[in-house]
Amino acid sequence: GDSVTQMEGPVTLSEEAFLTINCTYTATGYPSLFWYVQYPGEGLQLLLKATKADDKGSNKGFEATYRKETTSFHLEKGSVQVSDSAVYFCALRTSGGSYIPTFGRGTSLIVHP
Amino acid sequence: EAQVTQNPRYLITVTGKKLTVTCSQNMNHEYMSWYRQDPGLGLRQIYYSMNVEVTDKGDVPEGYKVSRKEKRNFPLILESPSPNQTSLYFCASSSPSLARDEQFFGPGTRLTVL
Repeated sequence: GDSVTQMEGPVTLSEEAFLTINCTYTATGYPSLFWYVQYPGEGLQLLLKATKADDKGSNKGFEATYRKETTSFHLEKGSVQVSDSAVYFCALRTSGGSYIPTFGRGTSLIVHP
Repeated sequence: EAQVTQNPRYLITVTGKKLTVTCSQNMNHEYMSWYRQDPGLGLRQIYYSMNVEVTDKGDVPEGYKVSRKEKRNFPLILESPSPNQTSLYFCASSSPSLARDEQFFGPGTRLTVL
């Protein structure tokens, strides 16, 4: 079945540092890929997405590129801020089946001033 | 405002006392689902529904029931809660017309079963 593997956290960085959160996937179909963010005390919200190979999703300074050859969708940001502290979830959804996405376990990011 | 609402936001109860967590969305979405979030385990799907009167089990359905009598509502029922159901619960909705697009999440319900 479909699965998503994320690097374990927490990831602790200083403000303005470069961020990478790794995500790899296994899918039987041809998936769309997502990153969701969960700020403290809130529900998840979509951060960015990519629907086909080599697409790059971007939002709020975050980027991720859909790499079919390595089945990866790593999240990057060039300069993190304290306000980026949150839990980040990688997810996929295939075109067949239930259309309900499969989520990774989440990676906690802590950014210090 | 497009949103998914859940009630209650916080609940403390005792073992065996039936409870219902409500979920409602105002976006006319066909798909709705329930997740639980636990430390170290991430987000796990409990049940999902693809339309009115159509529900199916997710990854961790034991101890839970759902119903979908109206398109906008998707309540989660715990007939006899147990301490291992202490968790943070999220309801979400989406639409097949947005099949490759986002899920909209509620704010969460933190449940403690003593």
